[in-house]
Amino acid sequence: DQQVKQNSPSLSVQEGRISILNCDYTNSMFDYFLWYKKYPAEGPTFLISISSIKDKNEDGRFTVFLNKSAKHLSLHIVPSQPGDSAVYFCAASPDSNYQLIWGAGTKLIIKP
Amino acid sequence: DSGVTQTPKHLITATGQRVTLRCSPRSGDLSVYWYQQSLDQGLQFLIQYYNGEERAKGNILERFSAQQFPDLHSELNLSSLELGDSALYFCASSVGPGAGQNIQYFGAGTRLSVL
Repeated sequence: DQQVKQNSPSLSVQEGRISILNCDYTNSMFDYFLWYKKYPAEGPTFLISISSIKDKNEDGRFTVFLNKSAKHLSLHIVPSQPGDSAVYFCAASPDSNYQLIWGAGTKLIIKP
Repeated sequence: DSGVTQTPKHLITATGQRVTLRCSPRSGDLSVYWYQQSLDQGLQFLIQYYNGEERAKGNILERFSAQQFPDLHSELNLSSLELGDSALYFCASSVGPGAGQNIQYFGAGTRLSVL
């Protein structure tokens, strides 16, 4: 049973435009959400996080939105740059002492 | 560079064999996590150690075991290997024991191929 779902295996976006990556979850107990980015032949790197007490968190070009009623979060990248081409993983946890549950990832391709 | 070191980078072995994957966490990090990523799948959490003690267990097979040593490096032992164990194995480390609010820093992974 996939508790964290990233339904789009891949996404292609023009350079300079907005990239929107989506993530759905089923467990209403999830309290903390994170996005990681992964380049080929490297481990994932932390990008941005949000706790359930917020509905938005912004860090430079990256913004994460959380819609608790819909059990949905999204990562917005504006403007998209070629270096953003990577696999993006969404992860969630019910509390700070529990493990992360990971989505399967979305491969983002930024076209020049 | 995340500061987490995994060795070896690649490992090719045969079914039925046993291998050991090694991880050195970032300086100052007390938690070590092991993950398995099979082809086109997400990361499957295997096990976590915090300051030498097992902290949490995920979907780790009985053929797999791990430990964290006093110097905080960790080893993941995989035995009686099967073809389906071929995957990328990642190690991550964090400062504290809780995964939710502690950013995990990942190594580059060990690619295991079981032939």
